[in-house]
Amino acid sequence: QQPVQSPQAVILREGEDAVINCSSSKALYSVHWYRQKHGEAPVFLMILLKGGEQKGHEKISASFNEKKQQSSLYLTASQLSYSGTYFCGTEASGTYKYIFGTGTRLKVLA
Amino acid sequence: GAGVSQSPRYKVAKRGQDVALRCDPISGHVSLFWYQQALGQGPEFLTYFQNEAQLDKSGLPSDRFFAERPEGSVSTLKIQRTQQEDSAVYLCASSLRGAQADTQYFGPGTRLTVL
Repeated sequence: QQPVQSPQAVILREGEDAVINCSSSKALYSVHWYRQKHGEAPVFLMILLKGGEQKGHEKISASFNEKKQQSSLYLTASQLSYSGTYFCGTEASGTYKYIFGTGTRLKVLA
Repeated sequence: GAGVSQSPRYKVAKRGQDVALRCDPISGHVSLFWYQQALGQGPEFLTYFQNEAQLDKSGLPSDRFFAERPEGSVSTLKIQRTQQEDSAVYLCASSLRGAQADTQYFGPGTRLTVL
């Protein structure tokens, strides 16, 4: 079942912060976050592993609550280059199938 | 090469034609994934290879779709008797190991349009 992301879309001014949430109905082994710009392939941002390990990327960080089967992506002091669609990606334990979330469209305005 | 490459980048096919889409993963990468991405949607899993073994093909929409990776490097996704609903971007991704939690590196995709 596809993870659900919220919000579906968000508009920010440069310098503002944003949080994107990803929620799964199935147990998670890991959560990945990707950003995709229009007409381009998804680009890896970070990975979070079972056990609550967090890995950040400059002004982007994320958390993973395995009990709640949720992950959140935190964008701090957003830049114009952050615009795009953000996807969480998950694999359920014991499967090779990889599922992307519903996506969050983010637009940063000058 | 430096990254994952796919060819052709754009393909227009008449309904009923067969097409073959190629993916060149990063050299040495064990895992290879194929995804289908419809306009405005997220990528949807099609199939997964670990070296030459196709370990999961549960996402292939019908028996018209077939994927192979005979020598554990280059992969081909073949679609027979294409239909209009096959129009989408087909993405290939590779990762270094066979681990579930490994980072995937995506190619630029092949945009397939079926008329």
